[in-house]
Amino acid sequence: EDKVVQSPLSLVVHEGDTVTLNCSYEVTNFRSLLWYKQEKKAPTFLFMLTSSGIEKKSGRLSSILDKKELFSILNITATQTGDSAIYLCVKGGATNKLIFGTGTLLAVQP
Amino acid sequence: GAGVSQSPRYKVAKRGQDVALRCDPISGHVSLFWYQQALGQGPEFLTYFQNEAQLDKSGLPSDRFFAERPEGSVSTLKIQRTQQEDSAVYLCASSLALMGNTEAFFGQGTRLTVV
Repeated sequence: EDKVVQSPLSLVVHEGDTVTLNCSYEVTNFRSLLWYKQEKKAPTFLFMLTSSGIEKKSGRLSSILDKKELFSILNITATQTGDSAIYLCVKGGATNKLIFGTGTLLAVQP
Repeated sequence: GAGVSQSPRYKVAKRGQDVALRCDPISGHVSLFWYQQALGQGPEFLTYFQNEAQLDKSGLPSDRFFAERPEGSVSTLKIQRTQQEDSAVYLCASSLALMGNTEAFFGQGTRLTVV
């Protein structure tokens, strides 16, 4: 079965902390690895990674992919309460089917 | 509109009723996906359209679920004889490209509650 596994399942931190979210995936039909943030209902796109070792950054968020070890990490530095959300790791496959992990629930306390 | 639009936002159905969920993708987007998200879970794939062609329906949980996109734009997900286990958020997403390697844009979802 095609799986995307995220860890931790949930995380509680204080404002200003740095967090690292992990994602591992199976190599079958791999095309891309995507990260989404889900606050209410609609997941919003953060990053798409296709090449190993190239870090993508957007403000305090960054992500990198390791295609040899089949994992990705999402880093958030200087966390803010607005970062509280579910972070979804998604594998994009050759069939255009997106395979979602169960997500990491991040709670940032003031 | 600028984004993916889904309607209704909320739907309460009595067990055994039929429901129809609508998705208006971003104009010009070739690919359209339906996902089911149960409480506390990540979205799970239901079906995928490329234009009007339904290329993958392997995720549809039973033959009570049916999806169509007759003109290659608006899509409808129909659930017949709803059951309590159908209660979930149904997400629609669209993307521009024909094959992988592209981000998908999601709608706000329809929360279906079967009572």
